[in-house]
Amino acid sequence: QVQLLQSGPGLVKPSQTLSLTCAISGDSVSSNNVAWNWVRQSPSRGLEWLGRTYYRSKWYNDYAVSVKSRIAINPDTSKNQFSLQLNSVTPEDTAVYYCARDFNYGFDPWGQGTLVTVSS
Amino acid sequence: SFELTQPPSVSVSPGQTARITCSGDSLPKQYAYWYQQKAGQAPVLVIYKDTERPSGIPERFSGSSSGTIVTLTIRGVQAEDEADYYCQSGDRSDSYRDVFGGGTKLTVL
Repeated sequence: QVQLLQSGPGLVKPSQTLSLTCAISGDSVSSNNVAWNWVRQSPSRGLEWLGRTYYRSKWYNDYAVSVKSRIAINPDTSKNQFSLQLNSVTPEDTAVYYCARDFNYGFDPWGQGTLVTVSS
Repeated sequence: SFELTQPPSVSVSPGQTARITCSGDSLPKQYAYWYQQKAGQAPVLVIYKDTERPSGIPERFSGSSSGTIVTLTIRGVQAEDEADYYCQSGDRSDSYRDVFGGGTKLTVL
């Protein structure tokens, strides 16, 4: 059974960097047939896909246009996890952030969610 | 831009059939997925590739597709089915992008 466990701070100051980690159990971040995603949810924006990382003989990334200039999603093979970094945050980045596995049959499972508030 | 449109709310009585639609121009070319989200919880996949049901999801959940509209049907609705439901699909026209619908609140009367 695959499980995703998120960690990271719940409060970030404006203009700083939001950093979250998603630890994987029951699968490998280097699997050739899955992708590892970050999604956020807020009342104003609903569910918003942010981006993904995946391995197909080498590492690839795809990012949402809305955050492309300030996002990075990176794998950590030594710890079997992946991370989200979102730079230059504003209060509009306040949301619940989820990690999720895409195994070509939908996003499953999801992490438990992390409420990140951007405030000074 | 690629968008998925859902009705904000659907209400049914217990035992009845609930139908939640999702419309989008790319749906004839891309699969749709459905997620159930209960209050304070992460979304759960209930339908994948338009019509397939993951193991562990009750048989009363089903999906269908017709042109630019996909539909999630819940037969014999139970009180525990009250939740928000989201459709998801992908835009592969210029670059990879996943998109979610705005969500539908299912109320069991």
